[in-house]
Amino acid sequence: QVELQESGPGLVKPSETLSLTCSVSGGSFSNYYWSWIRQSAGKGLEWIGRLYSSGSINYNPSLRTRVTMSIDTSKTQFSLELTSVTAADTATYYCARGVVVPPTIYFDSWGQGVLVTVSS
Amino acid sequence: IQLTQSPSSLSASVGDRVTITCRASRAISNYLAWYQQRPGKAPRLLIYTASTLQSGVPSRFSGSGSGTEFTLTISGLQPEDSATYYCQHLNSYFPGFGPGTKVDI
Repeated sequence: QVELQESGPGLVKPSETLSLTCSVSGGSFSNYYWSWIRQSAGKGLEWIGRLYSSGSINYNPSLRTRVTMSIDTSKTQFSLELTSVTAADTATYYCARGVVVPPTIYFDSWGQGVLVTVSS
Repeated sequence: IQLTQSPSSLSASVGDRVTITCRASRAISNYLAWYQQRPGKAPRLLIYTASTLQSGVPSRFSGSGSGTEFTLTISGLQPEDSATYYCQHLNSYFPGFGPGTKVDI
């Protein structure tokens, strides 16, 4: 049974960089697309991006200029960096496992989520 | 692709049959999934490709539809089904979610 666990600061100052890591245990790490998804009261569920173990990455166009995702297959972890944050980036951030059957993706396992608040 | 859900909320009783509708702004074949989110928890996959039940999900959940209109049906509502339900279109390069339907028991 795969388990995902997010980690990172719960408070980030405006204009700074939000950094989160997702640790994956159990199951295969190589055959899935790993994603970040966030949920705020104002915008509901929003997909941030996905990456594959090979390094293939796709981002949400609305966040592309501020997002960087990376993966460490040796540690079965993947990470998110979101730069120049504002209060609008306050949300619960989830990491999720994406099952890709071209041209589709759905998310069959999720972390518990981490609330990140942007405030000075 | 924009997704809308109706109703935005509903109240039903244990044992009722409940139907939630998700509409897409353009045809998406059967590329739709449904998730359940209980308060304070992460979303849980219920159905993918419109009608395929995820392993471990009770059979009282079912999905149907194609093109632009999809439905999630709960047959025989249980107390633990109190949650918000989201649809998701399965575009692998830019997936998106509906606004959710809150189900109160």
